Amino acid sequence: GAGVSQSPSNKVTEKGKDVELRCDPISGHTALYWYRQSLGQGLEFLIYFQGNSAPDKSGLPSDRFSAERTGGSVSTLTIQRTQQEDSAVYLCASSFGSNSYEQYFGPGTRLTVT
Amino acid sequence: SQKIEQNSEALNIQEGKTATLTCNYTNYSPAYLQWYRQDPGRGPVFLLLIRENEKEKRKERLKVTFDTTLKQSLFHITASQPADSATYLCALVMDSSYKLIFGSGTRLLVRP
Repeated sequence: GAGVSQSPSNKVTEKGKDVELRCDPISGHTALYWYRQSLGQGLEFLIYFQGNSAPDKSGLPSDRFSAERTGGSVSTLTIQRTQQEDSAVYLCASSFGSNSYEQYFGPGTRLTVT
Repeated sequence: SQKIEQNSEALNIQEGKTATLTCNYTNYSPAYLQWYRQDPGRGPVFLLLIRENEKEKRKERLKVTFDTTLKQSLFHITASQPADSATYLCALVMDSSYKLIFGSGTRLLVRP
């Protein structure tokens, strides 16, 4: 079946602009996660959605970052007033639920802020 | 402070040998530990999960050990192949949590 998809695969934007990154999780997965991976670094947790529960936003680095998940499926990560330090690969993952620890990752969106 | 350490230097081995990768952690008490494989330009792919009360887990040519006293996990690939070349990430899961806390990964190169 289809895996996790993300779009765009690459995004180049000017400093100060807003960007939206999209994630389509695997159908039937109730949990959705966003991570950020900087060059040569491990993945940094950003935000977690589980069903209709309030999302865990504890990993968002600043109030310029926000995310939504509509209808329990597609999610959008928005970065406002982008800064150069926001440049990274943004990865989305989904899982069957919070009790299923195996996460399925998308290919990521490479964001470059110039 | 809390940290997860994986060898930042690439591990370069000959095909057919056993690759051993290390994951050490400090000031965490994970209930689970996972290993993922990541190829360039791709997202991580789940390989194995081991629980705190398990000492060892095997899957085909892969073996993971988990020593909660040493706060260390070892990841072994036996009879390594060039196709095993990738970056391998360890990730901790705390009890009653859903977040994965990742190490920075170790790159494995298997020479033919």
